[in-house]
Amino acid sequence: EVQLLESGGGLVQPGGSLTLSCADSGFAFGSYAMSWVRQAPGKGLEWLSAISGSGGSTFYADSVKGRFTISRDTSKNTVFLQMDTLRADDTAVYYCARVSTADYLDYWGLGTLVTVSS
Amino acid sequence: DIQMTQSPSSLSVSVGDRVTITCRASQAISNYLAWYQQKPGKVPQVLIYSASTLESGVPSRFSGSGSGTDFTLTVSSLQPEDVATYYCLFYKNAPYIFGQGTKLEIK
Repeated sequence: EVQLLESGGGLVQPGGSLTLSCADSGFAFGSYAMSWVRQAPGKGLEWLSAISGSGGSTFYADSVKGRFTISRDTSKNTVFLQMDTLRADDTAVYYCARVSTADYLDYWGLGTLVTVSS
Repeated sequence: DIQMTQSPSSLSVSVGDRVTITCRASQAISNYLAWYQQKPGKVPQVLIYSASTLESGVPSRFSGSGSGTDFTLTVSSLQPEDVATYYCLFYKNAPYIFGQGTKLEIK
């Protein structure tokens, strides 16, 4: 069974940095692209970023381009989201999701809450 | 970038009713459209992908249709456990784009 588990969320001050991790189990990690999606409190879903199975290609939403960096460590079956220059409007639950072979997001983690506040 | 316009934003219906939610793309996206259900406090779950393919394990009362720019999610007979917010997702290429969501409530 595919399981994704995010970690690294917490309280951070505006302008600060945080790195989220997403560890997988139950599937051939290196064969799948991975993605990050967030949901601000009471709001809808927002796609943020994706990384190819090899890690050689990365993609970002305009809202986070230049501030967030996605990466992966295949040896550890983990994908990361480094978040810099955080703002109050980055406060959200952050989900990692697997990109299926048909390109939609098929499996999601439980999410980790990031709160940006002084 | 492509814009995805989902409607309505909310819906109040009775158990047993037929429900239709629409998603319109600002340009043709072939059939690269998925539908997700998010129950309160829960993780989004995929219902439909490739516009009309039912994900394994999803009840057959859910169906999807459309291609190009106009897409529809239909619940043939609403059940109490279908109370949730529904999102469409464009996924042909990055950036992926979610619709604004449709909150479905029981009358």
